[in-house]
Amino acid sequence: EAGVTQFPSHSVIEKGQTVTLRCDPISGHDNLYWYRRVMGKEIKFLLHFVKESKQDESGMPNNRFLAERTGGTYSTLKVQPAELEDSGVYFCASSQVRGLATGIQYFGAGTRLSVL
Amino acid sequence: DAKTTQPNSMESNEEEPVHLPCNHSTISGTDYIHWYRQLPSQGPEYVIHGLTSNVNNRMASLAIAEDRKSSTLILHRATLRDAAVYYCILRAEYGNKLVFGAGTILRVKS
Repeated sequence: EAGVTQFPSHSVIEKGQTVTLRCDPISGHDNLYWYRRVMGKEIKFLLHFVKESKQDESGMPNNRFLAERTGGTYSTLKVQPAELEDSGVYFCASSQVRGLATGIQYFGAGTRLSVL
Repeated sequence: DAKTTQPNSMESNEEEPVHLPCNHSTISGTDYIHWYRQLPSQGPEYVIHGLTSNVNNRMASLAIAEDRKSSTLILHRATLRDAAVYYCILRAEYGNKLVFGAGTILRVKS
């Protein structure tokens, strides 16, 4: 069974440009999460989808970030326009169960975003 | 989410057991204790979780103090592949998101 897949693995863009990150969760996982680690900081939660609905977007830093999950399958995270402080590694995770503290989240390898 | 405290780093010799401690003095009665680890250039990976009783799985063991204010992740025989950052995370009963701290960097020497 395929794990969580993220694309691209690395993206280098200039400040002010737009970048779209993609995440393909494990098949059948209704829950999809985005996290990120920026320069020397801890991994931080961004948002949580249940199927195509945003369950929790409390971690989204500002309105330059837009996450979508049309059809409840793959998700995209768009940064427009990108700023230098957006550089970091963006992780996607998926899980089967919701609302249970026992649910395991499976992570992708991440997308490393470099904004120059 | 309740806070956890872990040592910044630890070192172990290959083939020896490793005990990674975690303090969570403000844990509530319904918080689960989860451990994830992050190998170099990879995303975090689930290791184990528990509530009150000690737990074992193929990767590790989790020993939980009787008052639940601390726990220890035990790797029975460390290998070079176990070198990673280990995160101790508390999850509320109906919690969804994971709240990561700085974790413990585990170095394994051959």
